[in-house]
Amino acid sequence: GAVVSQHPSWVICKSGTSVKIECRSLDFQATTMFWYRQFPKQSLMLMATSNEGSKATYEQGVEKDKFLINHASLTLSTLTVTSAHPEDSSFYICSATRLATGSGNTIYFGEGSWLTVV
Amino acid sequence: KNEVEQSPQNLTAQEGEFITINCSYSVGISALHWLQQHPGGGIVSLFMLSSGKKKHGRLIATINIQEKHSSLHITASHPRDSAVYICAVGWAGSYQLTFGKGTKLSVIP
Repeated sequence: GAVVSQHPSWVICKSGTSVKIECRSLDFQATTMFWYRQFPKQSLMLMATSNEGSKATYEQGVEKDKFLINHASLTLSTLTVTSAHPEDSSFYICSATRLATGSGNTIYFGEGSWLTVV
Repeated sequence: KNEVEQSPQNLTAQEGEFITINCSYSVGISALHWLQQHPGGGIVSLFMLSSGKKKHGRLIATINIQEKHSSLHITASHPRDSAVYICAVGWAGSYQLTFGKGTKLSVIP
């Protein structure tokens, strides 16, 4: 079945550095992918909608210059956390929707990436 | 903005018990998802519902559009069912979802 792969699964970085997280749809094309972050015991919060070939749409309160999103192909979206700070430490997860007829679209999530900024 | 409420927040059950997790939302929707998040964080989509009832193995999901309510049932629960179950709602024309906070299920042998 369809799989969305996310890499890396976890990363530790120093404060002030940048970290890139990749989200790939392995056997289907995803014109739209979504990036979420989740703090402990909290809901998934949508950060931005990544559109292939165009600029991402960011949710209110999410700094677009800090969380850079690139959706350069139909199977890959990347999230770069720039100048990371300890408060950026969180679980980041992407999703992609596979368009389908009949029973409707199916949403697939990546495995998620744990980011720790020290 | 849609408000999604799940209950209970935490649930502990003995192996074999029948489990029900509830989800209510405030604004009409066209699609509701039940997701399973394991301790490592990965999320699996269990069901997408727009009406009625769906069954997959020991899992059953129902939705009542008029009452803005959905339930996820697990029959003959097993320790491997231990996870956080998340309800998410949205519109068919939009891929964006609003998520509940999740229900943490622990099934004890």
